[in-house]
Amino acid sequence: GQQLNQSPQSMFIQEGEDVSMNCTSSSIFNTWLWYKQDPGEGPVLLIALYKAGELTSNGRLTAQFGITRKDSFLNISASIPSDVGIYFCAGQSSGTYKYIFGTGTRLKVLA
Amino acid sequence: NAGVTQTPKFQVLKTGQSMTLQCAQDMNHNSMYWYRQDPGMGLRLIYYSASEGTTDKGEVPNGYNVSRLNKREFSLRLESAAPSQTSVYFCASISGGNQPQHFGDGTRLSIL
Repeated sequence: GQQLNQSPQSMFIQEGEDVSMNCTSSSIFNTWLWYKQDPGEGPVLLIALYKAGELTSNGRLTAQFGITRKDSFLNISASIPSDVGIYFCAGQSSGTYKYIFGTGTRLKVLA
Repeated sequence: NAGVTQTPKFQVLKTGQSMTLQCAQDMNHNSMYWYRQDPGMGLRLIYYSASEGTTDKGEVPNGYNVSRLNKREFSLRLESAAPSQTSVYFCASISGGNQPQHFGDGTRLSIL
């Protein structure tokens, strides 16, 4: 089935460092979502993006809707131990109720 | 604030047994979804219901059936469980259109 390319697959970072991850698609999307999943729980929405070029922040998190509408980026500034988890992107095309999910970026923070 | 509630949280089945996973949302959402999540993979859509009374196949529907019982509830049934269906199953809902999905905490299903 179709999935988004999300990178990196995993990363170890030092506490206090900034983190960047991205998602790319062969299809144009009208909506991009970013989720975080903690062990044993369901994904929780971090940021929703609805317009090409849109830049939206949620605390230390900032996400951007790529101009081409085929990519999106998530940045985490000054990482802390509780940022550990799996981050997923999801995209939705116009006229559909379905979201396509990326394969996830597994973030591990070294104190 | 219950949101999306899935039952059971854990289940072990033997090959060939049947099982229904339950999902209920209390947010008056129109659309509901069933996903499976396997190690190293993202969420793959099994079935979805855009609105009460409708259901449609997703990417991986084989071996599953669904019922949109009413606006609140959307169940997933495995008629004859197979080891390949060992996974974590997530239910999600949205109010409509391009609104973000809200997820339950998942059902961890093992089939021996």
